[in-house]
Amino acid sequence: AQSVAQPEDQVNVAEGNPLTVKCTYSVSGNPYLFWYVQYPNRGLQFLLKYITGDNLVKGSYGFEAEFNKSQTSFHLKKPSALVSDSALYFCAVRPYGSGNTGKLIFGQGTTLQVKP
Amino acid sequence: DVKVTQSSRYLVKRTGEKVFLECVQDMDHENMFWYRQDPGLGLRLIYFSYDVKMKEKGDIPEGYSVSREKKERFSLILESASTNQTSMYLCASGGADESNSPLHFGNGTRLTVT
Repeated sequence: AQSVAQPEDQVNVAEGNPLTVKCTYSVSGNPYLFWYVQYPNRGLQFLLKYITGDNLVKGSYGFEAEFNKSQTSFHLKKPSALVSDSALYFCAVRPYGSGNTGKLIFGQGTTLQVKP
Repeated sequence: DVKVTQSSRYLVKRTGEKVFLECVQDMDHENMFWYRQDPGLGLRLIYFSYDVKMKEKGDIPEGYSVSREKKERFSLILESASTNQTSMYLCASGGADESNSPLHFGNGTRLTVT
């Protein structure tokens, strides 16, 4: 079955330090991968995506993600965390065979806590 | 800016009631989705629609139905609400293109069934 896993329920980091939120995937064919962020009482907001090309993808708010095909991973990174980055982060994959439906499979989410 | 609007932020309903959750998007998107969000389970797809009057079951359709009579509106219906349907419901929309444009989400409806 095609799936996405986020192995950490919560990541804690001090402000100014680099952060990584992990994501691994299992899909048929070439993966289309996404990261979304959810602030309290809000819907999900798109951060970045990998479709093809450069393995390092840059997105909104200074975030980037590294696609690693051999490790089937797509970890989210930021060189210097801000307190305002504290939120719930979701990794998602577009399943093979979904055509133009835009369907996504989501991971279980990782809460990022950035302490001042 | 794409706007996906869910009609209610909070709803409290009784067991057995029929519940309607409404979602409207303003970007002429072909695809619309209803997800359910529960802690530790992430988002799970209930139903989606790729065109007016077209719908497909997602991963957890049991106990739910949907309606898409107009392109901009996608309704989720709980025929007879049960306590295990207490959850956050998120609507999303997206274009049907090859560029894999991202989904746009509403702010969610938190439903409590008592």
